Amino acid sequence: EPEVTQTPSHQVTQMGQEVILRCVPISNHLYFYWYRQILGQKVEFLVSFYNNEISEKSEIFDDQFSVERPDGSNFTLKIRSTKLEDSAMYFCASRPVTGLYGYTFGSGTRLTVV
Amino acid sequence: AQSVTQLDSHVSVSEGTPVLLRCNYSSSYSPSLFWYVQHPNKGLQLLLKYTSAATLVKGINGFEAEFKKSETSFHLTKPSAHMSDAAEYFCVVSASGGYQKVTFGTGTKLQVIP
Repeated sequence: EPEVTQTPSHQVTQMGQEVILRCVPISNHLYFYWYRQILGQKVEFLVSFYNNEISEKSEIFDDQFSVERPDGSNFTLKIRSTKLEDSAMYFCASRPVTGLYGYTFGSGTRLTVV
Repeated sequence: AQSVTQLDSHVSVSEGTPVLLRCNYSSSYSPSLFWYVQHPNKGLQLLLKYTSAATLVKGINGFEAEFKKSETSFHLTKPSAHMSDAAEYFCVVSASGGYQKVTFGTGTKLQVIP
């Protein structure tokens, strides 16, 4: 079964540094998403992306965050200047144009800001 | 608007006994519903999904869930718990239309007692 691939699986970064989390969605999917889960808390929506632009974003997704689809296969989440509270598991997801049947999450990137 | 309520934050069962994890949803549109499992320090694994086909959905590892529109419920069940089922389980809802972000419940931690 096709998978959403996220790299790296773990990343440790110093506070104030920029970090880029990478995702390779399923090849025929056109909607892309980022979610995050702070340790011990629920999974929260960050942003959705369609047709090379952000279609919806949450309050969490402030100016420190950005997303990009730099080529035909990757979907990235950038955090410009990381804070301690950005430490979380970040999940990428993608789905086809129609229907939710193919909504698929990646296995996540655990980001630790020290 | 959509929301999901997982009625129990913790459930404890003995190995070999049935599992019931409860989920109620609210959605303005016809919902799609999912159950995901997360083992400690791991990513999200899809157990099963309901997308307006059969109301009784069978998933992996012997789990199943029944969509009951009249009760707005999507409870997860398994006839006989195994030690490897100990994990956190998330009920997830998404409404049709729009960019279809999904909304997670707060999760239920399942403990299996030998």
